[in-house]
Amino acid sequence: AAGVIQSPRHLIKEKRETATLKCYPIPRHDTVYWYQQGPGQDPQFLISFYEKMQSDKGSIPDRFSAQQFSDYHSELNMSSLELGDSALYFCASSLAGPYEQYFGPGTRLTVT
Amino acid sequence: GESVGLHLPTLSVQEGDNSIINCAYSNSASDYFIWYKQESGKGPQFIIDIRSNMDKRQGQRVTVLLNKTVKHLSLQIAATQPGDSAVYFCAEILGGSQGNLIFGKGTKLSVKP
Repeated sequence: AAGVIQSPRHLIKEKRETATLKCYPIPRHDTVYWYQQGPGQDPQFLISFYEKMQSDKGSIPDRFSAQQFSDYHSELNMSSLELGDSALYFCASSLAGPYEQYFGPGTRLTVT
Repeated sequence: GESVGLHLPTLSVQEGDNSIINCAYSNSASDYFIWYKQESGKGPQFIIDIRSNMDKRQGQRVTVLLNKTVKHLSLQIAATQPGDSAVYFCAEILGGSQGNLIFGKGTKLSVKP
């Protein structure tokens, strides 16, 4: 069965650079969520989209933005990167509503 | 025990024994709860879910118990296997929200052969 695809899997950036993370949800899923997981931490919700519109916002810094495109893939744009942005970034997709969310393999971002 | 920073609570069990992982959730307005398993370097994997109008749900080798009175969730794994070794997270979804997950602190399960 098709799963959530994230790219790239690993990304190394320097401070103050920008990064773009991509997420391709499971076919027919209309909702995408982004989560950030620091080392040894639980995942923290950043932002979500339903039918290409932002549906909810969590602890996402103003330096980050995201969007969902017409093909339902989503991109998380991160600017002015800081050392503290180093983390695993997960995308999850689901059908609308409180249904099971399927997580992608994550993108490991390292900021040096 | 409490997790602080990088130090996750750890549960160590013998292969074949039953495991019980506990979680205290934060919001009485939550109406949907999920247990996730996360192996090192991978995304969380759905195990089992339960809605707030239930107090018990069983899956294959797993059972989730919900006690809304004390806001407590538990995951029971029967006949624990080495492949069950991972970090386990409970997550809640607030009623009326857009479905974003609020994760609890993880518990690391270590299965000894």
